[in-house]
Amino acid sequence: NAGVTQTPKFQVLKTGQSMTLQCAQDMNHEYMSWYRQDPGMGLRLIHYSVGAGITDQGEVPNGYNVSRSTTEDFPLRLLSAAPSQTSVYFCASSLFMNTEAFFGQGTRLTVV
Amino acid sequence: DAKTTQPNSMESNEEEPVHLPCNHSTISGTDYIHWYRQLPSQGPEYVIHGLTSNVNNRMASLAIAEDRKSSTLILHRATLRDAAVYYCILRDNTNAGKSTFGDGTTLTVKP
Repeated sequence: NAGVTQTPKFQVLKTGQSMTLQCAQDMNHEYMSWYRQDPGMGLRLIHYSVGAGITDQGEVPNGYNVSRSTTEDFPLRLLSAAPSQTSVYFCASSLFMNTEAFFGQGTRLTVV
Repeated sequence: DAKTTQPNSMESNEEEPVHLPCNHSTISGTDYIHWYRQLPSQGPEYVIHGLTSNVNNRMASLAIAEDRKSSTLILHRATLRDAAVYYCILRDNTNAGKSTFGDGTTLTVKP
């Protein structure tokens, strides 16, 4: 099994550009989430989904959109990139909210 | 929202046991206590989780206080590969949006 796959691994954007970070899991997990991790800090929840067609905001949702059209995929869209969004982004999935979570390897995003 | 408190850093000698504490005094009855660790430049990795009873797996043990307001992750014999940031978080099936990571404990293992 591939687990949780994130693409791309690295990305540089100019301020104002938009892009989509991809996340896919092959474990048939219901719960998926996106986190961002700034240097030297813990992970903060951006958006999450408890199943296909259902999404909700986490702790720091501003500037990001998500959708969950299939169980497998949970893309994160940056609408208009800002330097404050420079961070490492992690996608995670778990069967349910309170079960073991699996994380992707992260996308390192730099906005200049 | 229930939050966790961990020491910023801890040190251990190789092959000695390590006890990593976590306080979660506002834990609710449906919160599961999870531990993850993160090696440099990697995504977090699941270590162990539990609800009320102590738990053991191949990586570690989790000791949960009787009142559930604190827990301890136990690494029985630390190795250099256990040097990482360890996060204690609460995960609740009834409130999916509140799972949040604090800054964790940075564990240094000395040879």
